[in-house]
Amino acid sequence: QQPVQSPQAVILREGEDAVINCSSSKALYSVHWYRQKHGEAPVFLMILLKGGEQKGHEKISASFNEKKQQSSLYLTASQLSYSGTYFCGTFFGDMRFGAGTRLTVKP
Amino acid sequence: GAGVSQSPRYKVAKRGQDVALRCDPISGHVSLFWYQQALGQGPEFLTYFQNEAQLDKSGLPSDRFFAERPEGSVSTLKIQRTQQEDSAVYLCASSLDPGSGNQPQHFGDGTRLSIL
Repeated sequence: QQPVQSPQAVILREGEDAVINCSSSKALYSVHWYRQKHGEAPVFLMILLKGGEQKGHEKISASFNEKKQQSSLYLTASQLSYSGTYFCGTFFGDMRFGAGTRLTVKP
Repeated sequence: GAGVSQSPRYKVAKRGQDVALRCDPISGHVSLFWYQQALGQGPEFLTYFQNEAQLDKSGLPSDRFFAERPEGSVSTLKIQRTQQEDSAVYLCASSLDPGSGNQPQHFGDGTRLSIL
């Protein structure tokens, strides 16, 4: 029931782009994206809803393919502050999170 | 406070003891979720409340785990006869979402539970 995320880890230089993928075996109501820094609470980034509506962060974009039950998070012109672990959460009556993608941005 | 508050922040208990973890959600938030997060893993769903009703407890790992939200606000997660495998960070999240999945979840800082 948990979504599958890829890649497991990414290392970038400041200014580079990254894509994080999330796929589910179940039809989805919505996909949520959160970022968690070490020792801190997960912080909301974005929600993608069926029908294409998005709610979230100005500098982060994402896509949601309902037929393929997949979502991708696009981080462009990465900054040092983007470092952390990114989780997708799939909502189907309750919330299930993936194992996370650890993103490291280096100067 | 403005955010989700969890207490205690850290809890150390001996194996076999009972523990109680508290979550104070954002005022007015209908939904409340409990998660267990092991080191290096994503939050794992435990249980979900809508107001005082526990709508889903399928993630509770055993009957030693019990959660309640009697007045639809503060929630308590209780673990009886703790075991070493219960060591983890327990996260609470609240949301305005009445069950549609279209509102963000707001997380507390968690309770780090260590069982000796």
